[in-house]
Amino acid sequence: DSGVTQTPKHLITATGQRVTLRCSPRSGDLSVYWYQQSLDQGLQFLIQYYNGEERAKGNILERFSAQQFPDLHSELNLSSLELGDSALYFCASSVAGTPVTYEQYFGPGTRLTVT
Amino acid sequence: DAKTTQPNSMESNEEEPVHLPCNHSTISGTDYIHWYRQLPSQGPEYVIHGLTSNVNNRMASLAIAEDRKSSTLILHRATLRDAAVYYCILRDVSNAGKSTFGDGTTLTVKP
Repeated sequence: DSGVTQTPKHLITATGQRVTLRCSPRSGDLSVYWYQQSLDQGLQFLIQYYNGEERAKGNILERFSAQQFPDLHSELNLSSLELGDSALYFCASSVAGTPVTYEQYFGPGTRLTVT
Repeated sequence: DAKTTQPNSMESNEEEPVHLPCNHSTISGTDYIHWYRQLPSQGPEYVIHGLTSNVNNRMASLAIAEDRKSSTLILHRATLRDAAVYYCILRDVSNAGKSTFGDGTTLTVKP
């Protein structure tokens, strides 16, 4: 158990809908990262928050947004969903803003299926 | 960003050592070498990281070439639970959280 929790575990929704994925980091970790893993793309970095502020942005679509709240939990919002958004979404946390000498801890993921 | 190259797959017998190679010929002086693994149906898991010197922890050892253009993750006694995809990633301050994991090496452990 990494200490990172993600809810829900599974999500099935229809195209055009909007969903919210939730992540609670390990106790004491200030950084939260979101990744998308699909069969043809591997594990892709989406966005990072550090202590409530956006720190880094990757290949995140404009239809997707995220935020980190004062209690450090984070939410990833996915809207106008398309079939291609079906994937595993992982949240990770680390104690520092730049996991160069620190490790990241990953949650169990949320499997999103868009039908 | 500096890239890494890993074999697509490797096989090992249970209780034998496994050496997983990673080439990173364009590594910069500030890049740390990180290894993560992903067991089936789970999120990635940190294994080890290093800069220049060889590193050991309870999970594995990391051997870094003198010119730092390659590294090897060593599992001293493979178990069935070590069957996973192993990712070698380079991280420095400018890209640390943004690094994409690539395809990794799928390790199969045979009983």
